[in-house]
Amino acid sequence: QQQVKQSPQSLIVQKGGISIINCAYENTAFDYFPWYQQFPGKGPALLIAIRPDVSEKKEGRFTISFNKSAKQFSLHIMDSQPGDSATYFCAANSASKIIFGSGTRLSIRP
Amino acid sequence: DAGVIQSPRHEVTEMGQEVTLRCKPISGHNSLFWYRQTMMRGLELLIYFNNNVPIDDSGMPEDRFSAKMPNASFSTLKIQPSEPRDSAVYFCASSFSNGYNEQFFGPGTRLTVL
Repeated sequence: QQQVKQSPQSLIVQKGGISIINCAYENTAFDYFPWYQQFPGKGPALLIAIRPDVSEKKEGRFTISFNKSAKQFSLHIMDSQPGDSATYFCAANSASKIIFGSGTRLSIRP
Repeated sequence: DAGVIQSPRHEVTEMGQEVTLRCKPISGHNSLFWYRQTMMRGLELLIYFNNNVPIDDSGMPEDRFSAKMPNASFSTLKIQPSEPRDSAVYFCASSFSNGYNEQFFGPGTRLTVL
């Protein structure tokens, strides 16, 4: 019940395209769903986050879509750029614990 | 704000040696987390402190691993004795416990055990 399943494991998108990464969770006690971005040699950094009382949150080119009934959420990167190439982790918070997905390695082709 | 500070950034040691990783959280944060990242297992939470008290150490792999937080501005993760399978990047993260746990990660320590 503590798992967060993330897909795909890797993704290649052309510059200007839309990148979509999906996550699913099981524990309905999760109350905060952040996405972290990690560049090689760096620690993960918070990119965008959503609470379960809204279905969508947008910050610039990054959008989280949240489906509470399906227990799924996804990250959409519009107009993907080479600088977006990184590993992306979804996560879910329960109480004071955070469970990370397995990560998606995103490559944006010029 | 300097962010979360970790030292050393790289550590190479021989099997059987003691390894100590250090972390200084962001000032004002009262939660601290130690993670291990490997290709095989991804990002794993090892232990979590709140107000300097260990809350959840269920992720600590075995007794060779220990962590302390003697005060709000310093924590250590010790491995004794180290083994080659401990080779990984170890991250420290801190947050202010506001119920939503936005975590700020340090740059990590890359540990290689020969």
